[in-house]
Amino acid sequence: EDQVTQSPEALRLQEGESSSLNCSYTVSGLRGLFWYRQDPGKGPEFLFTLYSAGEEKEKERLKATLTKKESFLHITAPKPEDSATYLCAVRTNNAGNMLTFGGGTRLMVKP
Amino acid sequence: EAQVTQNPRYLITVTGKKLTVTCSQNMNHEYMSWYRQDPGLGLRQIYYSMNVEVTDKGDVPEGYKVSRKEKRNFPLILESPSPNQTSLYFCASSFSGGAGNTIYFGEGSWLTVV
Repeated sequence: EDQVTQSPEALRLQEGESSSLNCSYTVSGLRGLFWYRQDPGKGPEFLFTLYSAGEEKEKERLKATLTKKESFLHITAPKPEDSATYLCAVRTNNAGNMLTFGGGTRLMVKP
Repeated sequence: EAQVTQNPRYLITVTGKKLTVTCSQNMNHEYMSWYRQDPGLGLRQIYYSMNVEVTDKGDVPEGYKVSRKEKRNFPLILESPSPNQTSLYFCASSFSGGAGNTIYFGEGSWLTVV
């Protein structure tokens, strides 16, 4: 059974304090790892897709990396508007187009 | 603008009263699905559809029905809602085929069953 675990569950940062969010996975045949941002009461908003170990993607203050067992979402010099829940999900050979989600990391950035 | 649109956004209903949550996408996507999101359990897939007239169960299909008669629409039907179906529901869509096809989500539908 595919499993995705995110840590920490919640993270409180000061504005400008860089950090990383972790997504570890145990799956059979990874076809893609996705990062989403979710604001309260809204649908998940797509950020990145990573396909293979060693791959990196960047967007503004966010950088996603992938190894064979985990992915990191690095946040450089965060701003209060980066506050959200960040979701990691995998698509695997087991599950067709279905995404298996982790529990998310709730990020709060204080000014 | 690319959109996945759900209705209603908010609904309070009573146990046993049939309801339908509609979902429509304007991106000509083949693949559509429904998720529910619950505290501590994350997002879990209810049903999905690979194309018109093709549907299949996800992880938590009990108590739900779906239909896919048109490519753009994928309604979620609760024939006899129960309180344990109180949740936040998301419809999602993407192009089929290819591991990297981005899945787009709607804004969510808050459902309370009393």
